[in-house]
Amino acid sequence: GAVVSQHPSWVICKSGTSVKIECRSLDFQATTMFWYRQFPKQSLMLMATSNEGSKATYEQGVEKDKFLINHASLTLSTLTVTSAHPEDSSFYICSSFPVYNEQFFGPGTRLTVL
Amino acid sequence: GQQLNQSPQSMFIQEGEDVSMNCTSSSIFNTWLWYKQDPGEGPVLLIALYKAGELTSNGRLTAQFGITRKDSFLNISASIPSDVGIYFCAGQLSGNQFYFGTGTSLTVIP
Repeated sequence: GAVVSQHPSWVICKSGTSVKIECRSLDFQATTMFWYRQFPKQSLMLMATSNEGSKATYEQGVEKDKFLINHASLTLSTLTVTSAHPEDSSFYICSSFPVYNEQFFGPGTRLTVL
Repeated sequence: GQQLNQSPQSMFIQEGEDVSMNCTSSSIFNTWLWYKQDPGEGPVLLIALYKAGELTSNGRLTAQFGITRKDSFLNISASIPSDVGIYFCAGQLSGNQFYFGTGTSLTVIP
């Protein structure tokens, strides 16, 4: 299947700092990428849809200024958690779909905010 | 966002037993997908279904796209310890709209 990578795989930061997570499509071009958040033992919750060359579309309740998304190229989308707080600690996963109706996920990034 | 109803929520089975889980929705979907997620990793696509009534197998896994397009099931035959994980269904409405089930946690007892 298609390969989606994420970096870093885990990160620990102090409260108030910003953290950038990268999502790359390794063997296909991704005009659209999705960013999800997952709490322990729960399903994936879509945060935003990242569109190459245009603004991201955020789901209701997700703060745009808190979670900055940039999709500057066809293979890279970044999610920046600004002024992170402990409640932002979570598992963040990106995905894309090289084939119209099959989503492939990255391996996820575990964020821990102290 | 919308979530699909997935059941059972968790299962504890003996190695060698068969497993069945399903997803239902009030909406009609164009595509059904089944994923497995291991702890600390992203979901991995197991099976994709594109047409109502479609029955697709991938090794010991079999999934079906419900005829009403509002449901799907996944069967795992002769379970083995490495089948342990969380299984998610996902439905695609149109374009970029994907919705996920609540997940089924599977534990296989050797």
